[in-house]
Amino acid sequence: AQSVTQLDSHVSVSEGTPVLLRCNYSSSYSPSLFWYVQHPNKGLQLLLKYTSAATLVKGINGFEAEFKKSETSFHLTKPSAHMSDAAEYFCVVRETGANNLFFGTGTRLTVIP
Amino acid sequence: EAQVTQNPRYLITVTGKKLTVTCSQNMNHEYMSWYRQDPGLGLRQIYYSMNVEVTDKGDVPEGYKVSRKEKRNFPLILESPSPNQTSLYFCASSLLAGPPADTQYFGPGTRLTVL
Repeated sequence: AQSVTQLDSHVSVSEGTPVLLRCNYSSSYSPSLFWYVQHPNKGLQLLLKYTSAATLVKGINGFEAEFKKSETSFHLTKPSAHMSDAAEYFCVVRETGANNLFFGTGTRLTVIP
Repeated sequence: EAQVTQNPRYLITVTGKKLTVTCSQNMNHEYMSWYRQDPGLGLRQIYYSMNVEVTDKGDVPEGYKVSRKEKRNFPLILESPSPNQTSLYFCASSLLAGPPADTQYFGPGTRLTVL
């Protein structure tokens, strides 16, 4: 069975400081993992994805995530937060061979000027 | 412009009055899906479709129906809406269901209120 746990429902950072959004997953096999971002009153947009290639994945807008199988984690990071990063972020897992995605409950990122 | 469109964007209705939310994509995607988003629960999949005339249940299919008669359209039907179906609904599509091309493109959302 697959599931996704986003460890923080809300993260607040100051502009220019690093961002860390945590995600742990459980999966029976090798999963595909994604981070999606949802800006206020908008649909979701793919930030980055891991599909069994390089474990460090770079996405758009300076975000990256590292797949750590031993820790079953896929944390999202960015070296320096920008005001435009304020949004809700979803960690998502798809098990190999499955046709559907499982979403985490989301982490709301607030960026303080 | 490549996009997923949903209509209506906002809908207030009453219990038991049948409604349809339309979803259309212009990217020739095989895979389409419906999600509902509720506070504290993230997105949960309602139904998905691998291709024309192929649909399957997601995690929360009760109270919903879908059809896929054309590749571009995937309407969501609530035959007898109830207040617990008040939610924000998203349609999504992707080129292929499996790796590596399983990036999903989301519509703008439909906010449904059932009184």
